[in-house]
Amino acid sequence: DTEVTQTPKHLVMGMTNKKSLKCEQHMGHRAMYWYKQKAKKPPELMFVYSYEKLSINESVPSRFSPECPNSSLLNLHLHALQPEDSALYLCASSQSTSGGYEQFFGPGTRLTVL
Amino acid sequence: DAKTTQPPSMDCAEGRAANLPCNHSTISGNEYVYWYRQIHSQGPQYIIHGLKNNETNEMASLIITEDRKSSTLILPHATLRDTAVYYCIVRRPNTGTASKLTFGTGTRLQVTL
Repeated sequence: DTEVTQTPKHLVMGMTNKKSLKCEQHMGHRAMYWYKQKAKKPPELMFVYSYEKLSINESVPSRFSPECPNSSLLNLHLHALQPEDSALYLCASSQSTSGGYEQFFGPGTRLTVL
Repeated sequence: DAKTTQPPSMDCAEGRAANLPCNHSTISGNEYVYWYRQIHSQGPQYIIHGLKNNETNEMASLIITEDRKSSTLILPHATLRDTAVYYCIVRRPNTGTASKLTFGTGTRLQVTL
């Protein structure tokens, strides 16, 4: 299994809602990532987890809260988002965070904040 | 991580080789060159990476110049399904903290009939 899965594919939420994005991989990878991609822009790194511990937070606002409950799962909890947070949210995984390993990306969750 | 420069767009006829250049003149000796592509509305897809030597896999070839200041991704027989944004990324190895993948603006490759 060389796949990263993300659910849901699409999400529409209001600014007062609380929702969660889910990412799963069964490749035995120990590093997992969240990226944000605005329309016609490249992906931007948000968070990195290494061995289920948060390794990098790219100064992401606290309305985005990541969680790594086990080595196969990565969640992104969303609360009090703004319309400008509408974007494609991509999850990725790699064998480790070392520079020699490629990252495998999921198809993304397209989020719309009303 | 070293900055990369790529042309914003390129065209290629189907069946011909697509040669995508990337300039990374400030690359350090231990930094890798990675290539990813992103087909419209999908997640990025890993293509190939290299450090010093040229590399080839089932998808593409990566040619890195001897001084490592530039590289070329070669798709030997482009098809319409290769139409995508191609990202060249320079990435440092793990030096105690996680090695980040920093995407630049990429090259939009359009393969035509």
